[in-house]
Amino acid sequence: AQTVTQSQPEMSVQEAETVTLSCTYDTSESNYYLFWYKQPPSRQMILVIRQEAYKQQNATENRFSVNFQKAAKSFSLKISDSQLGDTAMYFCAFILFQGAQKLVFGQGTRLTINP
Amino acid sequence: KAGVTQTPRYLIKTRGQQVTLSCSPISGHRSVSWYQQTPGQGLQFLFEYFSETQRNKGNFPGRFSGRQFSNSRSEMNVSTLELGDSALYLCASSSGQGTQPQHFGDGTRLSIL
Repeated sequence: AQTVTQSQPEMSVQEAETVTLSCTYDTSESNYYLFWYKQPPSRQMILVIRQEAYKQQNATENRFSVNFQKAAKSFSLKISDSQLGDTAMYFCAFILFQGAQKLVFGQGTRLTINP
Repeated sequence: KAGVTQTPRYLIKTRGQQVTLSCSPISGHRSVSWYQQTPGQGLQFLFEYFSETQRNKGNFPGRFSGRQFSNSRSEMNVSTLELGDSALYLCASSSGQGTQPQHFGDGTRLSIL
């Protein structure tokens, strides 16, 4: 079975700072995808960034980037130049490459960006 | 392109009743997955439907069931409601392949009195 662990229940930074959210996962599979989703108070789950396990290059999306360490089963999210709108719950998630669309989520990190 | 639509947004029921939640996926998406979100257990996978067939089921009792129609719309049913069923129920749709990410709806907030 796959598991995802987010060790930081809450984080808080000042606007414009850089923040890194941690995520580790456990699987015996070799082909999978990793995602970061954000869930603002409006509660809709929004995809932030995704990483294919077979790619060594870390994914980036504007101010968001990941540090993917496959051997260590680590997948951290870095938010640069943080903005007030980044305030949300952030979930790390795992899905196998093939088979049912079953996302396995971590417990989430509540991120607050302060003005 | 319209997003994933879940109805209703809020629902209040009493113990013992049953409830049906609806999810309309993004046009062209054939896979619909359901998740339960609670403060204590976090986000847990309920089941996934692809082309009207249940492909996978999470570790939930038989009171939780679902179905998918030929237009890919999906419904989730919970019978004999218990207090612990109070949660945010999220629906997500995708093309059905692991290469494509899931897109979520706004969820249905179910409260059991």
